[in-house]
Amino acid sequence: EAGVTQFPSHSVIEKGQTVTLRCDPISGHDNLYWYRRVMGKEIKFLLHFVKESKQDESGMPNNRFLAERTGGTYSTLKVQPAELEDSGVYFCASSQDWLAFFGQGTRLTVV
Amino acid sequence: QKEVEQDPGPLSVPEGAIVSLNCTYSNSAFQYFMWYRQYSRKGPELLMYTYSSGNKEDGRFTAQVDKSSKYISLFIRDSQPSDSATYLCAMSEDGNNRLAFGKGNQVVVIP
Repeated sequence: EAGVTQFPSHSVIEKGQTVTLRCDPISGHDNLYWYRRVMGKEIKFLLHFVKESKQDESGMPNNRFLAERTGGTYSTLKVQPAELEDSGVYFCASSQDWLAFFGQGTRLTVV
Repeated sequence: QKEVEQDPGPLSVPEGAIVSLNCTYSNSAFQYFMWYRQYSRKGPELLMYTYSSGNKEDGRFTAQVDKSSKYISLFIRDSQPSDSATYLCAMSEDGNNRLAFGKGNQVVVIP
């Protein structure tokens, strides 16, 4: 069974540009989460989808971040326009019950 | 006050030693407790999980939760070089909501 897959694995963009991260959860998992780790800090929650609905988006830093989950399957996280402080590793996780499984992450570098 | 405290100091031990890791937390509503292992440039991998207080053993790994002290521990017996990784504690109030993470401990097992 395939795990959680994230694309791209690494992205380098200039400040002001737009980047879209993608996450494909484990098949059948209704819950999908986005987390972020910035350098030197702990992994922090961004938002939670249940199927296609946003259950909790309390961790989203600001309105430059937009997350979507088309048809309750894969999800995208768009950052527009990107700022230097958005650099970090973005993790996606999915679960069917309370055990969350993580993808390998997308390392975003804004220069 | 951070929700989860994990002393991020690196830990080097000789092969065969016992590794002891711990986290403290401030939110008494946390009921689900997890330990993740993360290898370099990879995503967190679920290692151990417990609900509420108590001990759980899986092979060389033992997880302990003491809710009265708001303290959780992970023990690795007969440590192996392949155990060298970063270990993250994580916890949540409800099985389906956000995880709060510690900063992680980098463990190096020296052959």
